[in-house]
Amino acid sequence: EPEVTQTPSHQVTQMGQEVILRCVPISNHLYFYWYRQILGQKVEFLVSFYNNEISEKSEIFDDQFSVERPDGSNFTLKIRSTKLEDSAMYFCASSASGTGALGYTFGSGTRLTVV
Amino acid sequence: RKEVEQDPGPFNVPEGATVAFNCTYSNSASQSFFWYRQDCRKEPKLLMSVYSSGNEDGRFTAQLNRASQYISLLIRDSKLSDSATYLCVVNMAGSQGNLIFGKGTKLSVKP
Repeated sequence: EPEVTQTPSHQVTQMGQEVILRCVPISNHLYFYWYRQILGQKVEFLVSFYNNEISEKSEIFDDQFSVERPDGSNFTLKIRSTKLEDSAMYFCASSASGTGALGYTFGSGTRLTVV
Repeated sequence: RKEVEQDPGPFNVPEGATVAFNCTYSNSASQSFFWYRQDCRKEPKLLMSVYSSGNEDGRFTAQLNRASQYISLLIRDSKLSDSATYLCVVNMAGSQGNLIFGKGTKLSVKP
């Protein structure tokens, strides 16, 4: 079964540092997403990406965050100047449909710990 | 406010029991509905989409009532491996991927 691959599985960083979370979506999917889940809380939407640009973003996705598809396979989330409250699981997802009608496949996540 | 509300749980049931989860959503413009399953500290995994006509997949039955903005999931003959958190998820009309997740209902199936 096709998978969304995320690296690293766990990242520890010091407050104020920049981190890049990496994702390899399913190869024939065209829609890519980042979600996050703070421990004990709901999964929250961050951003969707299609055709090399952001198609939608949430209030959480402020100037501290950026996304990029640097080549034909990778999809990255950059967090600049990390804060303690950025500690969370970050999930990448991809979908064949932009309407979400087919559901999304999530990667296994990157656990980000900001100390 | 766009929200998805679920039974808080946890549900502790014996093997073989039938268990039902309920979910309500606040925005009538919601268009796609799903149940996801999430194991502890793992990613959400799609369990099933939910259609207006209701749909079944083995021991799992999902129902949608658009008028009441209500979604349900029924698990029959529950197995130990069904122990997980069940997430009710809604996609908004016109949204490019903004899935709204409920907080989830934890299910523990005991031998």
